[in-house]
Amino acid sequence: EVQLLESGGGLVQPGGSLRLSCAASGFTFSSFAMSWVRQAPGKGLEWVSGISGSGGSTDYADSVKGRFTISRDNSKHTLYLQMNSLRAEDTAVYFCAKKYYYGSGSQYYFDYWGQGTLVSVSS
Amino acid sequence: DIQMTQSPSSLSASVGDRVTITCRASQSIGSYLNWYQQKPGKAPKLLIYAASSLKSGVPSRFFGIGSGTDFTLTISSLQPEDFATYYCQQSYSAPLTFGGGTKMEIK
Repeated sequence: EVQLLESGGGLVQPGGSLRLSCAASGFTFSSFAMSWVRQAPGKGLEWVSGISGSGGSTDYADSVKGRFTISRDNSKHTLYLQMNSLRAEDTAVYFCAKKYYYGSGSQYYFDYWGQGTLVSVSS
Repeated sequence: DIQMTQSPSSLSASVGDRVTITCRASQSIGSYLNWYQQKPGKAPKLLIYAASSLKSGVPSRFFGIGSGTDFTLTISSLQPEDFATYYCQQSYSAPLTFGGGTKMEIK
């Protein structure tokens, strides 16, 4: 059974830092790209960052570029999101999600999601 | 970035109703369109991928259609467990983007 378990959320002051983790099990972690998706209170879903299975390719939303860093440790089956220079607008539940490619390999969807971890940025 | 616009943003319906949600892309995305369902306090769940392919295990009352810029998700006969928020998501080009969501409520 595929499981994704996020941790590391909490209350942090503006300008502070936080590192989120997502522990994966039930699948060959290194074979799948992963992403972080967030949801501000009462709002919709926003993709934050993605990383390839090997970790060699990463991408970020403009809203977090230069402040957040995605990484993974395939030996530990764990995905990370290092968040620096946090702002009030970063307050959200952060989900990790597994990407599944199909067809010719260019189409994909998120087939598994974690339960989310809440990050609150406030003084 | 490709903008995804869903309508309506909210919808009141009764058990047994047939309902349709629309998702429009700001440019053509072929069939690179997925639909998710999210219940309060829970993670999203995939319903439909490639615009019209039903994920295994999803009830056949869910139906997706569309290509290019216009897509729809139809629920043929609403069940109590279907009251949730629905999101479309394009996987045509980076950055991937979601629609703003359609909240389905009980009338």
